[in-house]
Amino acid sequence: GAVVSQHPSRVICKSGTSVKIECRSLDFQATTMFWYRQFPKQSLMLMATSNEGSKATYEQGVEKDKFLINHASLTLSTLTVTSAHPEDSSFYICSARDQTSGSPYEQYFGPGTRLTVT
Amino acid sequence: SQKIEQNSEALNIQEGKTATLTCNYTNYSPAYLQWYRQDPGRGPVFLLLIRENEKEKRKERLKVTFDTTLKQSLFHITASQPADSATYLCALDRGNRLAFGKGNQVVVIP
Repeated sequence: GAVVSQHPSRVICKSGTSVKIECRSLDFQATTMFWYRQFPKQSLMLMATSNEGSKATYEQGVEKDKFLINHASLTLSTLTVTSAHPEDSSFYICSARDQTSGSPYEQYFGPGTRLTVT
Repeated sequence: SQKIEQNSEALNIQEGKTATLTCNYTNYSPAYLQWYRQDPGRGPVFLLLIRENEKEKRKERLKVTFDTTLKQSLFHITASQPADSATYLCALDRGNRLAFGKGNQVVVIP
C-alpha cells in the first residue's frame, strides 16, 4: 500500500525559533498533500492543502506567514513553523492522495510529528 | 454551523461482540464518507469509504452504513478483538478535502 513518511517524529524547540517538518510519499507521486494539526482529544484540523508547483491553500484562520508550506516535488512537502510559540505545540500530520491508482478520495497519512515548544 | 459528531465516551466492549459507532453530521452534503482508525501518537489509517448512493459497505469484519436522510453513518466491528482497540474517526468530503469528527475510542476487553 501507499506509504507516507514524516520527519522528524518528535521535535522540541525553543520559543521564537523555526521548525521544519518533512512529508514524503515513498512509493507514489502526490500532486496534492494536506497538513493537519491535532490537539489532544480533538479532531484533525486541516491547516492547508499543498499543491505541487503552486502556492498552498490555507484554511480560514491559519496564518500563512507563520506556517510556511512548500511542495517542491511530487513526493515532498514541507511545513515550517516560524517563530514558534508554546501554543503551537501540537501533533502535526500530513497526508497525500495517490491519484494514479485506486480511489482518488483515499488519503494516506504520515505517522505524525509531535512538536513541543518550550 | 457545520458539525460532525461522534460519541465522546469510550466504548468498552467484550471480545467477540459487535462494536457499533455512530457519526452524525449537520450542514454537510457529502458525496462520500470515510472511516479511519487512529492509534495513540500515530496518524490515521484508512479503513472504508462509502458513497452517498451506497447504503452499506463491508470489508472483512467491518461494516459501514450511510443514511443521507438521517445524516448518519454507522460503523460496525463484528467479532471484535483486543487488537481492534483504537480511536475511530469519521470523515466527510468537502470538495477535495476532508472534515473529521473527534473520533470515538473503542476498548475491547479480553
